[in-house]
Amino acid sequence: AQSVTQLDSHVSVSEGTPVLLRCNYSSSYSPSLFWYVQHPNKGLQLLLKYTSAATLVKGINGFEAEFKKSETSFHLTKPSAHMSDAAEYFCVVSDLTGANNLFFGTGTRLTVIP
Amino acid sequence: DTAVSQTPKYLVTQMGNDKSIKCEQNLGHDTMYWYKQDSKKFLKIMFSYNNKELIINETVPNRFSPKSPDKAHLNLHINSLELGDSAVYFCASSQPMGLAGGQETQYFGPGTRLLVL
Repeated sequence: AQSVTQLDSHVSVSEGTPVLLRCNYSSSYSPSLFWYVQHPNKGLQLLLKYTSAATLVKGINGFEAEFKKSETSFHLTKPSAHMSDAAEYFCVVSDLTGANNLFFGTGTRLTVIP
Repeated sequence: DTAVSQTPKYLVTQMGNDKSIKCEQNLGHDTMYWYKQDSKKFLKIMFSYNNKELIINETVPNRFSPKSPDKAHLNLHINSLELGDSAVYFCASSQPMGLAGGQETQYFGPGTRLLVL
């Protein structure tokens, strides 16, 4: 069975400092992994995805994530936080069956302090 | 050009009523989905449709029924609404699994915020 665990429900950083949002996954086989972002009262936007190509994945808005099989992790990082990054972030794993089912983590709320 | 759109954006209704939420995608995708996001922001798949055929159906009450008039639309009908149905409902679409050799990205709509009183 596939699942993801987001280790922090809330992360607070100062503007201009690095962002680290942690995610660990559990999968019976090589997974596809995603990070989605949800701004307040908005829909879900794909930040980046990993599908067994390069382990370091670059996404939009300066975010990137590194797939580490030995640690079963897919942490999201950004070198310098911007006020507009304040949002809810979801780590997601797929089931890789014909259903294309996605399993969402519980989310991490990122607050950026001016 | 909105890729995945949902109507209405907000829906407030009384317990026991029947309501529908509409979803349309203009991405040419073959597969569409409905997700429910609860008050704790947890998202869970409800249904998916591939070429008008239901391919997954999680443990969702049969008061919820997806209807797909064509592959660009997947509407969600809810009968006898209950307080616990209050949530944000997201529609999404993608190409079928494996079309590009791997997991297909799902594109989400803006969500419909349902409040049952």
